[in-house]
Amino acid sequence: EGQVVESGGGLVQPGGSLRLSCAVSGFTFNNYWMSWVRQAPGKGLEWVASINEDGSEKYYMDSVKGQFTISRDNAKKSLDLQMKSLRIEDTAVYYCARGRNNFRYWGQGTLVTVSS
Amino acid sequence: QMTQSPSSLSASVGDTVTITCQASQDISNYLNWYQHKPGKAPKILIHDASILETGVPSRFSGSGSGTDFSFTISSLQPEDLATYYCQQFYSVPRTFGQGTKLEIK
Repeated sequence: EGQVVESGGGLVQPGGSLRLSCAVSGFTFNNYWMSWVRQAPGKGLEWVASINEDGSEKYYMDSVKGQFTISRDNAKKSLDLQMKSLRIEDTAVYYCARGRNNFRYWGQGTLVTVSS
Repeated sequence: QMTQSPSSLSASVGDTVTITCQASQDISNYLNWYQHKPGKAPKILIHDASILETGVPSRFSGSGSGTDFSFTISSLQPEDLATYYCQQFYSVPRTFGQGTKLEIK
């Protein structure tokens, strides 16, 4: 049974940076695409970014292109999301999930609050 | 663009409820359905429009192809209280429907 645990969320001022991490166990990490999905307060789920098995392909939602960077370390079985120039509208619970088509094995999420 | 309806729904234990999702273009059967309970990780229930995930009760079902899809819960149970989302994987960006919040009367 796969497990995913996100970390790194917190309170950050507008314009600030934050790095989220996701630790994986229970499945062969380097065999799968991985993704980040977020949920703003009171809103629905929103796909943010995906990365392929070896990190050579990355896709982002338009509003975070050039602002967020997804990366992975297969040796450490970890997925990261580097976020910079954060805006109030980036406030959300960020989920790590396995896959790029069918999102299986989600974590509980980590809360990012962008506020002054 | 995925248009999901209704946005909320109230039903009684034992009822059958149906949620619909309409795509803005033909997405074949590249559609999934998720259940999201408060404070929990979302869970995929149906993939490829109609295939039930392993371990998911058979009272959940999905159908449709092209632009029109539906998701049905038969014999509603108290533990089905959740928000349900459709999600397309025909193109990038992957997009979710707005969600349907299901309440149990």
